[in-house]
Amino acid sequence: AQSVAQPEDQVNVAEGNPLTVKCTYSVSGNPYLFWYVQYPNRGLQFLLKYITGDNLVKGSYGFEAEFNKSQTSFHLKKPSALVSDSALYFCAVRYRVGHTGNQFYFGTGTSLTVIP
Amino acid sequence: DTEVTQTPKHLVMGMTNKKSLKCEQHMGHRAMYWYKQKAKKPPELMFVYSYEKLSINESVPSRFSPECPNSSLLNLHLHALQPEDSALYLCASSQDLRGQAHYEQYFGPGTRLTVT
Repeated sequence: AQSVAQPEDQVNVAEGNPLTVKCTYSVSGNPYLFWYVQYPNRGLQFLLKYITGDNLVKGSYGFEAEFNKSQTSFHLKKPSALVSDSALYFCAVRYRVGHTGNQFYFGTGTSLTVIP
Repeated sequence: DTEVTQTPKHLVMGMTNKKSLKCEQHMGHRAMYWYKQKAKKPPELMFVYSYEKLSINESVPSRFSPECPNSSLLNLHLHALQPEDSALYLCASSQDLRGQAHYEQYFGPGTRLTVT
């Protein structure tokens, strides 16, 4: 089945330490991969996406993600975590269906807590 | 302007009421979406409009009725809802949906709906 998975419901990291939020996908063909962040009582905010080309994608607020085709992963990373990064993070995958269709899935979400 | 606005922010309604949620964007996007989100869960896709035509209906009960009056506006009409319909309702938009899966979505802040 086509899907995207976030294996960790909760990630805790100390402020100033590097953070990683994991995402793996299961999509045939060439998927487009996205990361979104959601702060409490807010809508989702786009962080970054992988379409093609360089496997390391840089996005907003110092986040980056590495597309790894052999491991079917798209982990979100940041070299130095801030307390303000504490939020809910969603990985998402979109892919074409036929000539004009689209299908897309969100992962189950990972709650990131950065400890001061 | 990369903003999607939603009104109202909060809505409390009884099971016999009729109400509407409104969404607006002025980014020239031709794809607009309604999602339902429960606490700490990923958004669940309800409807997608592409060029003001209903493109996807994810088997949503008929008590939810979407409407896209023009390319900037999206409404969700509510009637005879159940308590389990209480959730955060998110609107989103993206560029042309036709065959293009790599465009990110921009989300509004959501309407917090409580059905009593």
